[in-house]
Amino acid sequence: AQSVTQLGSHVSVSEGALVLLRCNYSSSVPPYLFWYVQYPNQGLQLLLKYTTGATLVKGINGFEAEFKKSETSFHLTKPSAHMSDAAEYFCAVKTYGGSQGNLIFGKGTKLSVKP
Amino acid sequence: EAGVAQSPRYKIIEKRQSVAFWCNPISGHATLYWYQQILGQGPKLLIQFQNNGVVDDSQLPKDRFSAERLKGVDSTLKIQPAKLEDSAVYLCASSPGQGSYNEQFFGPGTRLTVL
Repeated sequence: AQSVTQLGSHVSVSEGALVLLRCNYSSSVPPYLFWYVQYPNQGLQLLLKYTTGATLVKGINGFEAEFKKSETSFHLTKPSAHMSDAAEYFCAVKTYGGSQGNLIFGKGTKLSVKP
Repeated sequence: EAGVAQSPRYKIIEKRQSVAFWCNPISGHATLYWYQQILGQGPKLLIQFQNNGVVDDSQLPKDRFSAERLKGVDSTLKIQPAKLEDSAVYLCASSPGQGSYNEQFFGPGTRLTVL
């Protein structure tokens, strides 16, 4: 069975600083991995996804993530934080088998950006 | 293109009362999902529909929760009777198909408070 662990429920950075949100996954088969962002009182929006191919994935709003099979990680990064990046971020893995297409989410990391 | 619509956005009820949520997916999307997001946790799948058929309801508490998707378009999720632990945000999502490559698009959610 697939699972996702997000390290750190709350991350705080200064504006302009590097953003690093950590995600480790568990999967017995090659995983499909996703990062979603959730702004207050809104639904989830897809930031980026890894399915196959290039391990460095670029997403919207300047975010990127690297799939590292040896480390079972899919950490999300952004070189320079902006105030508008303050939100909650969820890492997710997609299931296989009879429930294809279902997402299993981590508990989320709330990102705060200080001026 | 219109996104996933959900109503109501907020609902407050007392325990043992009934409540229903409505979701209208993106036009043409065959697959519809209902997720429960408890405060401080990631969304958890409750039920998945493919057109008007149920694909996965293994995590739906069937003694109190029910869902339907008549005509394969919009869907309703009902809780009867509600418990305190049902307080959560209920997210609806849709995707073009069931396969793992299909992105899920989320609605804004319905925030339920059970007193």
